[in-house]
Amino acid sequence: AQKITQTQPGMFVQEKEAVTLDCTYDTSDQSYGLFWYKQPSSGEMIFLIYQGSYDEQNATEGRYSLNFQKARKSANLVISASQLGDSAMYFCAMSSTDSWGKLQFGAGTQVVVTP
Amino acid sequence: DVKVTQSSRYLVKRTGEKVFLECVQDMDHENMFWYRQDPGLGLRLIYFSYDVKMKEKGDIPEGYSVSREKKERFSLILESASTNQTSMYLCASSPQTRPETQYFGPGTRLLVL
Repeated sequence: AQKITQTQPGMFVQEKEAVTLDCTYDTSDQSYGLFWYKQPSSGEMIFLIYQGSYDEQNATEGRYSLNFQKARKSANLVISASQLGDSAMYFCAMSSTDSWGKLQFGAGTQVVVTP
Repeated sequence: DVKVTQSSRYLVKRTGEKVFLECVQDMDHENMFWYRQDPGLGLRLIYFSYDVKMKEKGDIPEGYSVSREKKERFSLILESASTNQTSMYLCASSPQTRPETQYFGPGTRLLVL
């Protein structure tokens, strides 16, 4: 069974600063993927970034980067230069590559960016 | 742009009613999914489908059924709605070529009284 843990229920961050959102996972699968999604107040889930378990380099997408530490089973999201529009709920998720459909989500972290 | 639409943003139903939640995607994706989202629990997978007329149970299928008669449409059915099915329901789709990337609809907030 897979499990995703996000220990930070919420956090405030000042505009233009970087923020790290924690995510740890547990799985017995050898091959899996890790994801981060953003959910603004409008409700729509927006895919941000993906990291494969065999990828040697950390994934980056614009201001988003995923700090993947396989031995520690952590996949933290780093948002650089925060913007007011980054205020949202952020979810970490994972899936075995045997079954891409079965995403397991964490409970989420609410981020509020302040001016 | 991928577009996933859900038939209603808000829905109020009574206990015992049969409820249909519709989801349509316009990008010819093979895979479609239904999740429910509850505070503190994140998203939990109810059912998913890899192809027309195919369905697989997710983690919490009890009390739900699904229908996929056409590739672009995936329906979630609550046979007899109960108050514990009050939740936000999210539909998603993904292509077979990149199954790891799911695109979500705006969600339907269902209240069962």
